[in-house]
Amino acid sequence: DGGITQSPKYLFRKEGQNVTLSCEQNLNHDAMYWYRQDPGQGLRLIYYSQIVNDFQKGDIAEGYSVSREKKESFPLTVTSAQKNPTAFYLCASSMVSPSGYTFGSGTRLTVV
Amino acid sequence: KQEVTQIPAALSVPEGENLVLNCSFTDSAIYNLQWFRQDPGKGLTSLLLIQSSQREQTSGRLNASLDKSSGRSTLYIAASQPGDSATYLCAVVQGGKLIFGQGTELSVKP
Repeated sequence: DGGITQSPKYLFRKEGQNVTLSCEQNLNHDAMYWYRQDPGQGLRLIYYSQIVNDFQKGDIAEGYSVSREKKESFPLTVTSAQKNPTAFYLCASSMVSPSGYTFGSGTRLTVV
Repeated sequence: KQEVTQIPAALSVPEGENLVLNCSFTDSAIYNLQWFRQDPGKGLTSLLLIQSSQREQTSGRLNASLDKSSGRSTLYIAASQPGDSATYLCAVVQGGKLIFGQGTELSVKP
């Protein structure tokens, strides 16, 4: 079955450490996105990529980095520069001419 | 800047009731609008997608309408069931990005 796989489901990070969240899709979608979800604030866009080797900052890109070396993969690195990284992170994909967005099951990151 | 608002923030209804969730957006230049469902601690499940040229979409007990000129969309749920309890999110596509409202948390009581 086609879909988006995010891993791990739960992630714990010590302050000062970088951590990478994985997102893989087998839908042959061109575009991929990373969102952050906090209680009471809805979903906010971190980064997005419409083609391989190209990506754009979203509304809250500071303290995050991404790469898009393959069409199927769009990993997100949460760096030590992100001041409040504890959140639920969601990855999504779509065609560039969108017929709708598909979301993964999310990764819950907790800084300890 | 596009802003998406969902009212009410929370709603509790008895089982069997028909209900309407509201979504409004400030800029009518949208590509399409999508309704999602989110269960606690889970990802988003797509419910309905309405292209900008369409007025409504239906799937089972769900019906979504879109009025671009007034910047409004509604999600109608018929004969609600306890399994419908979840958070419902409305999102518009603009500039290649999905912009979300903050959601309506629905509780259907048996």
